[in-house]
Amino acid sequence: DGGITQSPKYLFRKEGQNVTLSCEQNLNHDAMYWYRQDPGQGLRLIYYSQIVNDFQKGDIAEGYSVSREKKESFPLTVTSAQKNPTAFYLCASSIARASGYTFGSGTRLTVV
Amino acid sequence: ELKVEQNPLFLSMQEGKNYTIYCNYSTTSDRLYWYRQDPGKSLESLFVLLSNGAVKQEGRLMASLDTKARLSTLHITAAVHDLSATYFCAVDGGAGSYQLTFGKGTKLSVIP
Repeated sequence: DGGITQSPKYLFRKEGQNVTLSCEQNLNHDAMYWYRQDPGQGLRLIYYSQIVNDFQKGDIAEGYSVSREKKESFPLTVTSAQKNPTAFYLCASSIARASGYTFGSGTRLTVV
Repeated sequence: ELKVEQNPLFLSMQEGKNYTIYCNYSTTSDRLYWYRQDPGKSLESLFVLLSNGAVKQEGRLMASLDTKARLSTLHITAAVHDLSATYFCAVDGGAGSYQLTFGKGTKLSVIP
């Protein structure tokens, strides 16, 4: 079955540590996205990529980094520069405008 | 900057009643999406509205789009407890844009 796989489901980060969230899709979608969701809030765009080896900053890119070396993979690194990283992170992909997004199951990141 | 506003943000309703959630957006777009999110879960696509006047129905939910008024509605008919969730609308940025901008969501609680 085609879909998007995010891992891990839960992640704990110590102060000053970088952590990487995985996102893999087998839908053959060109575009991939990372969103952050805080309690009671909508989704805010962190980064997006429309093609391999190219990505663009979203509204809240500071303290995050991404790579897109393969069409199937779009990992997100939460760096120590992100001062308030505790949130629910959602990865999504799309083939084009008309289809909307397919979402992964999310990663819940907590600072300990 | 595209802004998407939903109202109400919280909705408590009795089973069997009808209600409407509203989604207003600030710039021209002919594509609007509705998603459902259960607590702690990812987003599930409900409707994709691709043109002015589009109306789609699934069970007790019906969504419509008026691009001239920049307004979409999600109408709930004879609510049941299983519809309790948070509902998000999202709008894309127009031709050439793959990004979706989300509203803050409407948290719906259906009370027996």
